[in-house]
Amino acid sequence: GAGVSQTPSNKVTEKGKYVELRCDPISGHTALYWYRQSLGQGPEFLIYFQGTGAADDSGLPNDRFFAVRPEGSVSTLKIQRTERGDSAVYLCASSLSPSLSTDTQYFGPGTRLTVL
Amino acid sequence: AQSVSQHNHHVILSEAASLELGCNYSYGGTVNLFWYVQYPGQHLQLLLKYFSGDPLVKGIKGFEAEFIKSKFSFNLRKPSVQWSDTAEYFCAVNGYSSASKIIFGSGTRLSIRP
Repeated sequence: GAGVSQTPSNKVTEKGKYVELRCDPISGHTALYWYRQSLGQGPEFLIYFQGTGAADDSGLPNDRFFAVRPEGSVSTLKIQRTERGDSAVYLCASSLSPSLSTDTQYFGPGTRLTVL
Repeated sequence: AQSVSQHNHHVILSEAASLELGCNYSYGGTVNLFWYVQYPGQHLQLLLKYFSGDPLVKGIKGFEAEFIKSKFSFNLRKPSVQWSDTAEYFCAVNGYSSASKIIFGSGTRLSIRP
C-alpha cells in the first residue's frame, strides 16, 4: 500500500517568510510524528499527534513552529518568520497506534527546507 | 534528559567483515531501544527493536543487537556484511514515561568496499 508522503520534496524560501509542510500518513494510522534532521545529525523529535490532538509538542523549538492535524489524517507543519537555522530536512512518520513497543513508525521521504 | 551516543561516525569495512556499531543511551527508567537504517535514496526504516524479554534481538537482513542494561548499551552486530549494507544507521531510545517520543543518536555511516 501507499506509504507516508510529504510535500513538497524541496522548499526554498527567504528569511522571514512563512512556510507550510504537508504530511499524508498511511491510511488508518492514528499516530503522526514530526522530526527535524539537520546535516550530520539524527532526527530530532518535534511533535506527536494522536488523532487530531497534539499529544506531545515538547520538541517544538519556539513559538514560530506550529502543527495541525484537523481531521486526524493529513498534518501541516507551519513555520513563521523563517530563519536560516531552520534549514533542515523535516521528516514525518506515522504508526498504527502510539505504542511503539508493538507498532512500527513508518517514515516519509522528508521535505528539504532551505532558508536563504 | 534522555540522550543517545553513537561512537562511530563513519565505519568502512570490506565485504564479509564482521560489524559492530556502538550505541549507549542515558535514561533513568525502563526503555524501548531501536535501530533504524537509511539506505541511499530511501526512507528511514526500522531495522530492529527491543522492548522486553530476550535481550538479544534479531532484525531484518541478518542484523542483531544486544541490550546490556548494566552498560546502558544496545550495540548492533552482523557477522558478515554485504555491499548492500552500505547505509546510515541510527540508534534510538524512548522511555515508558514518554512512550511515543523517540530520541535518536547522530548516526553512523557504514561504507562497504566490494
